[in-house]
Amino acid sequence: DVKVTQSSRYLVKRTGEKVFLECVQDMDHENMFWYRQDPGLGLRLIYFSYDVKMKEKGDIPEGYSVSREKKERFSLILESASTNQTSMYLCASSFPGGATDTQYFGPGTRLTVL
Amino acid sequence: AQSVTQPDIHITVSEGASLELRCNYSYGATPYLFWYVQSPGQGLQLLLKYFSGDTLVQGIKGFEAEFKRSQSSFNLRKPSVHWSDAAEYFCAVGARYSTDSWGKLQFGAGTQVVVTP
Repeated sequence: DVKVTQSSRYLVKRTGEKVFLECVQDMDHENMFWYRQDPGLGLRLIYFSYDVKMKEKGDIPEGYSVSREKKERFSLILESASTNQTSMYLCASSFPGGATDTQYFGPGTRLTVL
Repeated sequence: AQSVTQPDIHITVSEGASLELRCNYSYGATPYLFWYVQSPGQGLQLLLKYFSGDTLVQGIKGFEAEFKRSQSSFNLRKPSVHWSDAAEYFCAVGARYSTDSWGKLQFGAGTQVVVTP
């Protein structure tokens, strides 16, 4: 089974703090994704990566950055957390191409910024 | 641009009754379509997916979905709901993998399903 793990299930930070959310997958997937999930808005793509050190902006990248130094690990960084970044953050990974192009999700990190 | 609409924000269904969740998509080419389920406090689990071929797709937990190109729909159904089916359900659309699509998905806003005794 594909396993995607996220470093924390719950996180509470203060406004202005630098926040790191980490995601690790164990299936040698090329693609990794970061989403935020808000009620009534579904999942919105923040950033994704299709290879080590490669990254592309998603639909809502403002206020976020990412890092992918190793294939299995994809980090989301909030340089200066703000209250409007309080949300559920979900990481996913996939193997590109054909019928296997399915995203597998981690359990999520619920971030509260005070 | 691709988009997904789930018209029902919230559905209440009695245990043992049938369930149908609606999903409409907008996409120029043949879409890849997915249904995911999210139980409280959990990540998303894939229920089923459609890439090509038979338009009636069987998934896990007794769910099925039917792709109707003429209606741009991919509705999810279950004949008899169990209390454990209470969750949020997301429909998603994507494109065949390429250096344009990168396997990205567009998600709907979700439908919350409540199951009553």
